[in-house]
Amino acid sequence: EVQLVESGGGLVQPGRSMKLSCAASGFTFNNYDMAWVCQAPKKGLEWVATISYDGSSTYYRDSVKGRFTISRDNAKSTLYLQMDSLRSEDTATYYCARLDWELYFDYWGQGVMVTVSS
Amino acid sequence: DIQMTQSPSSMSASLGDRVTITCRASQDIGNYLSWFQQKPGKSPRRMIYGATNLAAGVPSRFSGSRSGSDYSLTISSLESEDMAIYYCLQSIQYPFTFGSGTKLEIK
Repeated sequence: EVQLVESGGGLVQPGRSMKLSCAASGFTFNNYDMAWVCQAPKKGLEWVATISYDGSSTYYRDSVKGRFTISRDNAKSTLYLQMDSLRSEDTATYYCARLDWELYFDYWGQGVMVTVSS
Repeated sequence: DIQMTQSPSSMSASLGDRVTITCRASQDIGNYLSWFQQKPGKSPRRMIYGATNLAAGVPSRFSGSRSGSDYSLTISSLESEDMAIYYCLQSIQYPFTFGSGTKLEIK
């Protein structure tokens, strides 16, 4: 069974950093591109970043470029999102998701809440 | 960036009704269109991918179609468990973009 379990969220002050993790199991992690998607409270879904199966390619939405870094450790089957210079508008639930070979999202984690507030 | 214009933003329908939700793409996205269902407090669930392919475990009353740049999700006979917010997503080009969502309520 495919499982994606996010961790690392919580309350953080504006301008500070936070690192999210997503532990994957039930599939061969290093065969799949992975992504982060966020959802602000009572708002819609927004794609945040994608990383290729081997970590060689990364893609970001404009609003997080230069502040967020997506990475992965294939030996640990874990996806990461390093979030620096956090802003109040980054407050959201962050989901990790798997992309199948045609780049369609197929599995999602349960999400982790990040609140940026002083 | 590719804009996905989703309509309606909300709708109310009766059990057994046929329901259609639409997304219009601002550029050619081929069939790189997926539909997701999200219930309150839950993660999104893939319903349709490749515009017309039913995801594993999804009831056959759900279907996807395409007409030019318009993509539709249809529920042939609405059931109470279908109450949710539905989102489309294009994944042909970065940045991937979601539609704004359709809140489906049961009358």
